[in-house]
Amino acid sequence: AQSVAQPEDQVNVAEGNPLTVKCTYSVSGNPYLFWYVQYPNRGLQFLLKYITGDNLVKGSYGFEAEFNKSQTSFHLKKPSALVSDSALYFCAVRDMGNNDMRFGAGTRLTVKP
Amino acid sequence: SAVISQKPSRDICQRGTSLTIQCQVDSQVTMMFWYRQQPGQSLTLIATANQGSEATYESGFVIDKFPISRPNLTFSTLTVSNMSPEDSSIYLCSVEDRRRPLNTEAFFGQGTRLTVV
Repeated sequence: AQSVAQPEDQVNVAEGNPLTVKCTYSVSGNPYLFWYVQYPNRGLQFLLKYITGDNLVKGSYGFEAEFNKSQTSFHLKKPSALVSDSALYFCAVRDMGNNDMRFGAGTRLTVKP
Repeated sequence: SAVISQKPSRDICQRGTSLTIQCQVDSQVTMMFWYRQQPGQSLTLIATANQGSEATYESGFVIDKFPISRPNLTFSTLTVSNMSPEDSSIYLCSVEDRRRPLNTEAFFGQGTRLTVV
């Protein structure tokens, strides 16, 4: 069965600084990996995904994530954080042969001016 | 990406009553799912809504409590039956279109915030 862990409940960064939101995963086969963002009183918005190919994937709003197979990680990054990036971020994984998408517990990102 | 309309966006209901949540997609999709989310918490999959057949429920969720319909490829409903305060949560509809192999991401409705009093 697949699972995903987000080890940090909360990440605080100053505006303009780089940010990283961590995610590690466990699957029996090849993983599909995703990042979603949730703003208050909204549904989840898709940011980016890794299926195959380049380990560094670029997504919406300047976010990117790096797939590291040896460390089973898929950390979300952005070179320069904005106050408007403050939200709840979810990492998700699906085993290639599985219907279900499993979500991490979420990490609340706060970017301070 | 699919555009999903989920209704109602929020409701306050009396215990013992039922609420039906609707999910409408602007295009045909192969997969539709229903999730539950406590505010600020992770998502828990309730069931997969199967077109033309009974939904597939996850452990801990049963059809009598959460009946689901999916009459076609663009519409699904979730009913929360005989509600109690423990059912207060956010309910999210999610869709995926797996007809193309690289279309692996899910898209979500805005959610329904349910409060049971």
